[in-house]
Amino acid sequence: AQSVAQPEDQVNVAEGNPLTVKCTYSVSGNPYLFWYVQYPNRGLQFLLKYITGDNLVKGSYGFEAEFNKSQTSFHLKKPSALVSDSALYFCAVRANTGGFKTIFGAGTRLFVKA
Amino acid sequence: DVKVTQSSRYLVKRTGEKVFLECVQDMDHENMFWYRQDPGLGLRLIYFSYDVKMKEKGDIPEGYSVSREKKERFSLILESASTNQTSMYLCASSLLGIRDRDLTGELFFGEGSRLTVL
Repeated sequence: AQSVAQPEDQVNVAEGNPLTVKCTYSVSGNPYLFWYVQYPNRGLQFLLKYITGDNLVKGSYGFEAEFNKSQTSFHLKKPSALVSDSALYFCAVRANTGGFKTIFGAGTRLFVKA
Repeated sequence: DVKVTQSSRYLVKRTGEKVFLECVQDMDHENMFWYRQDPGLGLRLIYFSYDVKMKEKGDIPEGYSVSREKKERFSLILESASTNQTSMYLCASSLLGIRDRDLTGELFFGEGSRLTVL
């Protein structure tokens, strides 16, 4: 069965510092991996995805994520955090052996302090 | 830009009432989805549809039904609302070609409908 783990409920970082939001996954078959962001009282917005190819994926708002097959991880990163990055972040996975369902992690709340 | 519109942002209903949540997308996407979001649980798939009049159960379909009479509209129905259905409901659509077995498309979400059942 597919699953996604976001081991941290909350991540705190100072503005200007690098940030990492962790995600690990478990699937049978090739994974397709996604990151979404949710601002308060809003729907989710797509940030980036890994389908194939280069393990480092660049996305919206300066975010990037690194796919690591051996560690089954897809951590979200940004070199320099902004206060406006404070939001709820979801990692998601899809695999051809899991049908066409997208499985989401529980979410990680990011707080960026000025 | 793709726009997914959920008709009600906030609803308050009483136990036993029938509840309709409406979702419309304007990009001619074939695939539409209903999720519920609860703190600490992430998003859980209720139902999805890959074509008009087609529907598939997700992971938590009990207590829900759906309707897709037109390509752009996907409705979630709570036949008899219960307090444990108090949640945020999110509609999404995608270019994901289920019939083409294309898994690469991201989801486009509506703003969400926060339902409270008293």
